[in-house]
Amino acid sequence: QSVLIQPPSVSGTPGQRVTISCSGSTSFVGSKSVNWYQQLPGTAPKLLIYSNNQRPSGVPDRFSGSRSGTSASLAISGLQAEDEADYHCAAYDDTLNGQVFGTGTTVTVL
Amino acid sequence: DVQLVESGGGLAKPGGSLTLSCAGSGFTFNLAWMSWVRQAPGKGLEWVGHIKSKSDGETTGYAASVKGRFTISRDDSKTTLYLHMNGLKTADTAAYFCTTLRPRHGDLGYWGQGILVTVSS
Repeated sequence: QSVLIQPPSVSGTPGQRVTISCSGSTSFVGSKSVNWYQQLPGTAPKLLIYSNNQRPSGVPDRFSGSRSGTSASLAISGLQAEDEADYHCAAYDDTLNGQVFGTGTTVTVL
Repeated sequence: DVQLVESGGGLAKPGGSLTLSCAGSGFTFNLAWMSWVRQAPGKGLEWVGHIKSKSDGETTGYAASVKGRFTISRDDSKTTLYLHMNGLKTADTAAYFCTTLRPRHGDLGYWGQGILVTVSS
């Protein structure tokens, strides 16, 4: 089963730009749509980015997604205190007939 | 507004059974693909399984960790999704989330608030 690897933690100061990587095998990340979820403390996850770089309505444009080769990335520009949360990448695997989640990243605003 | 409300969680003994329900509203439930995702305390997200719409064959898929023990079903007349859990293990202790699953993009667009299942003797 494919695994998506994320850094355990990322931190930044207010206003800074931070990025979170999501790495997997070429055959997986390179061919699947990667989605990102934000999970604020004590709450359910929420869809943040879908199809690598698309924002659902209501998601601020300071959140952006990209994919290159075997990695996908989530960038947060103009970091705000309210962005402190766990961020999870995921992709739907047709072969597995199911979701593969990343290992999760905690973003801390210093 | 889309709402997903889970119920039925609680304490179960190892080897026991429990059924979770997820009531959906604010969207066309019978056309929706649905899934269950869980999160053990302090851990990341883990996909449990999903069920497609009746028009797409109501096909199900399960994670290897629950296959043969968990069953997902749906009652479109009640706009409710179910997770039937048998042969529970302590490793199944987690918050369980019900979600919508968008077929073309594979993203989980809407999530319930989650419900806690604790498996302990």
